[in-house]
Amino acid sequence: QVQLVQSGAEVKKPGASVKVSCKASGYTFTSYDINWVRQATGQGLEWMGWMNPNSGNTGYAQKFQGRVTMTRNTSISTAYMELSSLRSEDTAVYYCARGLGDYDSSGYYYWFDPWGQGTLVTVSS
Amino acid sequence: SYELTQPPSVSVSPGQTARITCSGDALPKQYAYWYQQKPGQAPVLVIYKDSERPSGIPERFSGSSSGTTVTLTISGVQAEDEADYYCQSADSSGTVVFGGGTKLTVL
Repeated sequence: QVQLVQSGAEVKKPGASVKVSCKASGYTFTSYDINWVRQATGQGLEWMGWMNPNSGNTGYAQKFQGRVTMTRNTSISTAYMELSSLRSEDTAVYYCARGLGDYDSSGYYYWFDPWGQGTLVTVSS
Repeated sequence: SYELTQPPSVSVSPGQTARITCSGDALPKQYAYWYQQKPGQAPVLVIYKDSERPSGIPERFSGSSSGTTVTLTISGVQAEDEADYYCQSADSSGTVVFGGGTKLTVL
């Protein structure tokens, strides 16, 4: 079955960087985007950006421009999200999700399915 | 960027119908999607393209769209449907937006 499995929890100090991995299985890794979404405790979902594993092209939410980098290793079907200059407000669960998008007769569509299990990143001194 | 607005909470009794709305100026031009998230779990897609239901999602989940508002309807609500629900939309420039989420409480 289609599955995304993420790396384990991380604890980082303010100012450091974190790199979270997302291993895909059950489908052709290069055929679909990988997106990253985060969720602070008790808060809603916040989209961070997307990456096309085939081309390596990326698109980041304006809020994270300059601080986030999304990469991949196609030989092991794994995507990565690195967030730098961490601050306490970055403490959250980070999810990867496969993006399915295209155009149909009514317009553009893009949704997420499935999602990884989430990775808790804690930023604390 | 644009916003999607959801009510913070909706409460229903078992067996009743729950309706969760999501409003946004871009929705007449963009599809909406709905995700269910239970405590401690990752979100799960329950509706795509406004009203399509993925395989494995119970028939009691349905979606509709009218103007700037999309609605997730859960008919015959069960205790297991208690969760947070998020709407999502995206434009062709690659920007994705989530609503703030609605907590569904089954009384």
